[in-house]
Amino acid sequence: DFVLTQSPLSLSVTPGESASISCRSSQSLLHTNGYNYLDWYLQKPGQSPQLLIFLGSSRAPGVPDRFSGSGSGTDFTLKISRVEAEDVGVYYCMQVQQRMCSFGRGTKLEIK
Amino acid sequence: QVQLVESGGGVVQPGRSLRLSCVVSGFTFSSHAMHWARQAPGKGLEWVGAIWDDGNFKTYGDSVKGRFTISRDNSKNTVYLQMDSLRAEDSAVYYCARGLYMSAWTMDVWGQGTTVTVS
Repeated sequence: DFVLTQSPLSLSVTPGESASISCRSSQSLLHTNGYNYLDWYLQKPGQSPQLLIFLGSSRAPGVPDRFSGSGSGTDFTLKISRVEAEDVGVYYCMQVQQRMCSFGRGTKLEIK
Repeated sequence: QVQLVESGGGVVQPGRSLRLSCVVSGFTFSSHAMHWARQAPGKGLEWVGAIWDDGNFKTYGDSVKGRFTISRDNSKNTVYLQMDSLRAEDSAVYYCARGLYMSAWTMDVWGQGTTVTVS
């Protein structure tokens, strides 16, 4: 099995502060083509998931630059600078291994 | 604008079958891979499977392999999820999602979901 470990499971952040979520894969997600097959999604309350970051660090169109993805191989981080009230929801990382996808368990972000 | 609309959900008995549909608009359907994902009540996201743009490559998650089949009709801008031998643990909201053009594994647009209850 290709295990994807996401942490923390929950976060409580004061507006204006930053937040970081970690995702660690049991095997390298760095493909021979140079891309890391790791995406980040946000599911706001009552909504469908939305794409934030793809291929480890590329921001999806329309996503504020407060969101950034970093990492390579097995360790990845989603950073949210200057958290706003609209950022609440559950954040998921997703990996691609052996032509299959799998999601992390999710991180619930709340605003203090 | 880009739209994905799922349908076909409902209540079904264990062991029976159900077929979900996802009709898309606003983009060139035949140029994109399509995915299905699901979310059980109060749980996280689970990837179900994907079909490539020409339909020649399909892949599934371990929990549905051998029971679920994804297909597409590019002339109808529709992707399907045939679910056989349904179990209680298949109860979930099922989402279809578009594969990103430059990275087919990335799901860049999602539908609103359709609910399947196996009981």
